[in-house]
Amino acid sequence: QVQLQESGPGLMKPSETLSLTCTVSGGSISSYYWSWIRQPPGKGLEWIGYLYYSGSTNYNPSLKSRVTISVDTSKNQFSLKLSSVTAADTAVYYCARGPVTVLQGQPFDYWGQGTLVTVSS
Amino acid sequence: DIQMTQSPSSLSASVGDRVTITCRASQSIRNYLNWFQQKPGKAPKLLIYGISSLQSGVPSRFSGSGSGTDFTLTISSLQPEDFATYYCQQSYMTPYTFGQGTNLELK
Repeated sequence: QVQLQESGPGLMKPSETLSLTCTVSGGSISSYYWSWIRQPPGKGLEWIGYLYYSGSTNYNPSLKSRVTISVDTSKNQFSLKLSSVTAADTAVYYCARGPVTVLQGQPFDYWGQGTLVTVSS
Repeated sequence: DIQMTQSPSSLSASVGDRVTITCRASQSIRNYLNWFQQKPGKAPKLLIYGISSLQSGVPSRFSGSGSGTDFTLTISSLQPEDFATYYCQQSYMTPYTFGQGTNLELK
């Protein structure tokens, strides 16, 4: 059973760089796409971007100028960096496996539990 | 961006009811339509992928249908554990987008 676990600071100040890591267990990070998705408190879901295990990436244009997603295959981890955060970046951040291209619809099939990141001065 | 619009935004129902949630895409997304269930404080859980394929372990009372731009999620007989928020999502084109959610509440 594939499991994902996010880690990183829960409280940040405006203008800082958010840095989160997702550790994948129960399966290899290879041969899949991996995404970050966020959810502001009480609101809906926003896809941030994905990374293929080989290192290629695709980001949401709304965040593209501030986002970097990278992979460390030796540790079975991938990471998110979001620069110049503001209060609008306060959200639960999820890592997820997907889009899973071998499945119709290419869904996100495994998710981490999520980590709340609060941006406040 | 492809906009996903769900209706209704909230729904009150009773145990045993049959419930249908609709999702409309702003353009054709072929079969790249997925449904998720989210309970408070938990991550979304994949229910249905590719319009109508049931994810492993998901009860058969959940079903999906539709094509092109219009899709539905049906729960044939609501159980107490089904009260949650449901999201549709498209993987046809980046940026991948989700519907705004449908909050299914106990009447």
